[in-house]
Amino acid sequence: DIQMTQSPSSLSASVGARVTITCRASQGIDNYLAWFQQKPGKAPKSLIYAASSLQSGVPSRFSGSGYGIDFTLTISSLQPEDFATYYCQQYKSYPHSFGHGTKLEIK
Amino acid sequence: QVQLVQSGGEVKKPGASVRVSCETSGYTFTTYGISWVRQAPGQGLEWMGWISTYNGNTDYAQNVQGRVTMTADSSTNTAYMELGSLTSDDTAVYYCTRMLLNSGRIDLWGQGTLVTVSS
Repeated sequence: DIQMTQSPSSLSASVGARVTITCRASQGIDNYLAWFQQKPGKAPKSLIYAASSLQSGVPSRFSGSGYGIDFTLTISSLQPEDFATYYCQQYKSYPHSFGHGTKLEIK
Repeated sequence: QVQLVQSGGEVKKPGASVRVSCETSGYTFTTYGISWVRQAPGQGLEWMGWISTYNGNTDYAQNVQGRVTMTADSSTNTAYMELGSLTSDDTAVYYCTRMLLNSGRIDLWGQGTLVTVSS
């Protein structure tokens, strides 16, 4: 099975800051990598697929990059509504494993 | 409007089974798969498996293999996940998700169903 390692596990940042979350796969997954955002008590929401493609309706301040093993999610200018937990997921091979999440909090 | 609407919360005793439904609307049911993801209280997301609504093929995660059955009814555009031999470790919110058949990526989530296992 492919293991997904996210870092950091938590992060404090201010509104307007630029933040980057990383995700590393235990083996190559090409670009079969998605990012999700989850707010407390809510279902996750799809943000990015194929490592760098923005889901329809997602603000352009979100971007993704990477290929193979190492991937990043960047938020260029944090907005109050972006404080949430973020998960990466590989869908290259079954089981489609998730990272353990990164909780983004307000500084 | 494309949406996945799940059944309501359940309370079950250890050893029992639970069935969660996921009613879809707004798209052609058989052109997307359905995967199931669960989240224990305060924990991360765990992929459980998926079903092809096109041909009924399934693939289950190792830790629920043998206890889980995923089915799909194209006459009602509804998918089901049944989990048996429940223990307290199965207490979680269960999500159905829409999955693209050609890539496997998730693009839409249901609202979640809380299953509580308690004696």
